[in-house]
Amino acid sequence: KNEVEQSPQNLTAQEGEFITINCSYSVGISALHWLQQHPGGGIVSLFMLSSGKKKHGRLIATINIQEKHSSLHITASHPRDSAVYICAAGYNNDMRFGAGTRLTVKP
Amino acid sequence: EAQVTQNPRYLITVTGKKLTVTCSQNMNHEYMSWYRQDPGLGLRQIYYSMNVEVTDKGDVPEGYKVSRKEKRNFPLILESPSPNQTSLYFCASRTNRQGNYGYTFGSGTRLTVV
Repeated sequence: KNEVEQSPQNLTAQEGEFITINCSYSVGISALHWLQQHPGGGIVSLFMLSSGKKKHGRLIATINIQEKHSSLHITASHPRDSAVYICAAGYNNDMRFGAGTRLTVKP
Repeated sequence: EAQVTQNPRYLITVTGKKLTVTCSQNMNHEYMSWYRQDPGLGLRQIYYSMNVEVTDKGDVPEGYKVSRKEKRNFPLILESPSPNQTSLYFCASRTNRQGNYGYTFGSGTRLTVV
């Protein structure tokens, strides 16, 4: 059974800081997903990656398949980035989710 | 607009009264899935469907039923709801095609069973 571990659980940053959230998983996957959940509860898919690195605006996601590790980086963080970020290990039939990282960016 | 639509957004019901949470997607996605989210436990899969008439259990299927008679719809049925099914529920869909295709989530249904 795959376990997905995220760190840190909570993160508070000042506006403009560089943010890193880490995710580790225990068995091979088909893809690694990064999700964003805003205080209203809705979930948005940010990235799906199976190798290398992806970038979208100020967000960058990387994955190291050999080490079974992924990171989500936010450059020049902004208060609107405040949300819960969830890592999920994807398989053919389902996803296994990390517990989430609650990010608060203060102005 | 490509989306997954869940209804209702909020529901308060009493123990034992059958209810259905609907989920519909307009992206012609083959795969659909239901999750529940609870404090301290995160998101957990309830049931999923790889395609029409194909459904299977996830991690926490007890007390739930699903059906997939049409590609666009994947309702979640609670035949006899109990208070431990109070939770935030999400439906999601994706294509089965190979490639970097992510999931699209519905807006969530907050269910309270009293």
